[in-house]
Formats: sequence, structure tokens, C-alpha cells
Amino acid sequence: DAKTTQPPSMDCAEGRAANLPCNHSTISGNEYVYWYRQIHSQGPQYIIHGLKNNETNEMASLIITEDRKSSTLILPHATLRDTAVYYCIVRVNQAGTALIFGKGTTLSVSS
Amino acid sequence: GAVVSQHPSRVICKSGTSVKIECRSLDFQATTMFWYRQFPKQSLMLMATSNEGSKATYEQGVEKDKFLINHASLTLSTLTVTSAHPEDSSFYICSASTSGTFYNEQFFGPGTRLTVL
Repeated sequence: DAKTTQPPSMDCAEGRAANLPCNHSTISGNEYVYWYRQIHSQGPQYIIHGLKNNETNEMASLIITEDRKSSTLILPHATLRDTAVYYCIVRVNQAGTALIFGKGTTLSVSS
Repeated sequence: GAVVSQHPSRVICKSGTSVKIECRSLDFQATTMFWYRQFPKQSLMLMATSNEGSKATYEQGVEKDKFLINHASLTLSTLTVTSAHPEDSSFYICSASTSGTFYNEQFFGPGTRLTVL
């Protein structure tokens, strides 16, 4: 079973920030938080991951609470092409360990 | 970033035939490859994990004799759906992982859509 809980859907206006929450209250000390997204009929795309510090890359920012029981993925300026299913996954960073997908959040960006 | 390809991108076959799907890591050596399937409006479900040169480890409920996985090299894994039936129609996605430069990241292929008539 997935170890994360996400809202099933969210809406965002184009150009605004999209903040996608994720609860992972049973996360272990050696588990990382990963975010992937899947645009319709494509393979999942890696976005970002982190352990306990906030992380930022060219795609998004990841904010992890101090107790690590929840996190938020931030797309600073959402575009129509960001419409996708976003998956929050916790996993140990160990070779050979699969990503287990939950139901994710369907983000709809509209103009 | 690392690139994973799948071939074919879509395939239609008759019930009872076998279909082979290839997954290749194009610019890195994949110590481990994973196979997922995804039914419409559902999430990805892990089918099996394979390490180069070893037998695949199948998830509970996945028939190993029906879904044959071969991982003969560090850049190629194949999934063969044997005696396919309409209920096997799905989106099959592979991913590859390496313990090298990309720090255990898992990179996904574009998927193969299988339709069994």
C-alpha cells in the first residue's frame, strides 16, 4: 500500500503558483520524499526529491515539514502543460528499490 | 537526464498470441529494471523487478508464467505477455535504475499500449 495521502484533484489558474500537499505521517528516517508527474498516456517524469531540507530545482520547490510528516510541492508559475497527475512517493534511496505509486493528485491548470 | 526507450509504443494483437515489449536504457547502465502496468484511470501497479542476469521478482498476484521478463544485459529488459487475452490490455511502463551517477534515480520509459482483440 502507498504510504502517502494526497487530495484526488486540484485546480490552478495559469500563471499562479500550484501548491500540492502530501501527507506521509509514517515516513521512516531513511526514506526520501519523491515527486513524479504523469502527463496523459506518457511515462512518469521525475520532478524533485528530498530528505529533510527544502529543495528547489528548475521545475519546482519541495517544502518538507520539520517533523517530516508532510510536504508540499510548489510549481511557482503553473502553465497549461503542467496539467498532469502528480505522485508523492516515499522510498529509501537504495539501488533496486521500486517506486510504489498511490493515486496521486490530478492537477488541472486552466487559462 | 537519463533516457529510457520502449518498443513498440503501441501494439494490437489477437487473443492467444504473445507480445514482446522491449525496454532499453540508452545512455546509462541499468542495474535494475522495473515493469509496471496501468489500467485506464488508475495508478501504476508494479509487476516485477529484474536485475541483470538474475530471475525477476514478481509482485503478488502477477503470474510469472504469463508475464515473462528477461534482463539479459545492463541496457535491455524484455516483457513478453504470453497467450494474451483482452483483460491484458493495458499501458505497460518500464523504468530503469542505476546505483551510479544518478544516485538511485528511477527513469521511466514512455510506455507501451497493448490492445488485445
